Amino acid sequence: AQKVTQAQTEISVVEKEDVTLDCVYETRDTTYYLFWYKQPPSGELVFLIRRNSFDEQNEISGRYSWNFQKSTSSFNFTITASQVVDSAVYFCALIIDYAGGTSYGKLTFGQGTILTVHP
Amino acid sequence: DGGITQSPKYLFRKEGQNVTLSCEQNLNHDAMYWYRQDPGQGLRLIYYSQIVNDFQKGDIAEGYSVSREKKESFPLTVTSAQKNPTAFYLCASSMAGFGSPLHFGNGTRLTVT
Repeated sequence: AQKVTQAQTEISVVEKEDVTLDCVYETRDTTYYLFWYKQPPSGELVFLIRRNSFDEQNEISGRYSWNFQKSTSSFNFTITASQVVDSAVYFCALIIDYAGGTSYGKLTFGQGTILTVHP
Repeated sequence: DGGITQSPKYLFRKEGQNVTLSCEQNLNHDAMYWYRQDPGQGLRLIYYSQIVNDFQKGDIAEGYSVSREKKESFPLTVTSAQKNPTAFYLCASSMAGFGSPLHFGNGTRLTVT
């Protein structure tokens, strides 16, 4: 069975601090995708990034960066120079290839990390 | 604007009553999903549908039912058999294909007393 662990339940920082959200996953499959979603107070989950298991390149998008390390089964998310608008719940999720490319949508989510950025 | 619309945002029901949550998408996505979110538990999959007139149970389907008569619509009924129905319900859709990102609606918060 798959599992995603976000050990940090809540993180509180002051604006302009850097913050890293941890994500550790477990799966026996070699083909999978990892995702990060942001859930602001309005409720909807906003897709941030997708990474497949064969691509370990780190990615940077503005103030956001992601570090994928298969050796430690981790997919950590760093926000540089945090802002109040970054306050949200962040979810890491995993999907494995159940049936040769038809297993889309059956994501396994972590419990989420509540990030609060104070002015 | 393309997106997913869930209605209503807040729903209150008495115990023993069935209730239907609406989900409509205009993204032309083939697949649609229902997730349940409880505090501290992440999201859990209730039902999903890959094509019209077909759907499969997720991890926590007991006490729920769905239909997929149109590509755009995927309503969820919470029946009286669901033991703990009070939760935040999120509908999502995606293009066909492994690893396609899900697009979520704003959610419906259901309270049953």
